Amino acid sequence: EADIYQTPRYLVIGTGKKITLECSQTMGHDKMYWYQQDPGMELHLIHYSYGVNSTEKGDLSSESTVSRIRTEHFPLTLESARPSHTSQYLCASSEFGYGYTFGSGTRLTVV
Amino acid sequence: AQSVAQPEDQVNVAEGNPLTVKCTYSVSGNPYLFWYVQYPNRGLQFLLKYITGDNLVKGSYGFEAEFNKSQTSFHLKKPSALVSDSALYFCAVRDKAPKGYGGSQGNLIFGKGTKLSVKP
Repeated sequence: EADIYQTPRYLVIGTGKKITLECSQTMGHDKMYWYQQDPGMELHLIHYSYGVNSTEKGDLSSESTVSRIRTEHFPLTLESARPSHTSQYLCASSEFGYGYTFGSGTRLTVV
Repeated sequence: AQSVAQPEDQVNVAEGNPLTVKCTYSVSGNPYLFWYVQYPNRGLQFLLKYITGDNLVKGSYGFEAEFNKSQTSFHLKKPSALVSDSALYFCAVRDKAPKGYGGSQGNLIFGKGTKLSVKP
């Protein structure tokens, strides 16, 4: 049913490694988002994009970066992973004026 | 600033009983309100939304929500809970749009979430 895909679903990686979390959607949505979700449930917006070549930082400061070269693709990169980056990362997309469609998430563990 | 509050971290209900998950909001202007559900190890799924019109909004899986302007609330309800309804529930409100964009184009602001547990 999901038209937004996140890979990998689970990732365990060592400190200092560079990682890229992939997010792709097939719905042609202009807006895309990355959220970080605490173990205690709360969602924090870390990045969003209004379209190709548009990226903005969200409410929660993050050491990650994003890019939007194609409408359907919105990858998130951590240049040097740390244990404090351990979290679940959720990607979402939307048409202007409508609700969000979420991917299944990537659960990242940095050891 | 626009905001939503979910006053309960957890709600416990017996199967077959009615359930309510509470949400209050604070907005300037007309609110655009949403409910999402998250099952374990999954992303959020859309349940229902209120933009305008009837105060009682019907959504997926038998859920409904009542918009109450005087109490600034948008509580999620279901007449008869199922064990399979156990999940995290998030209320959200649309933020003000950035300059140059229409009112429907702000980002969603999510509440902290409420864990619903339905026991057999």
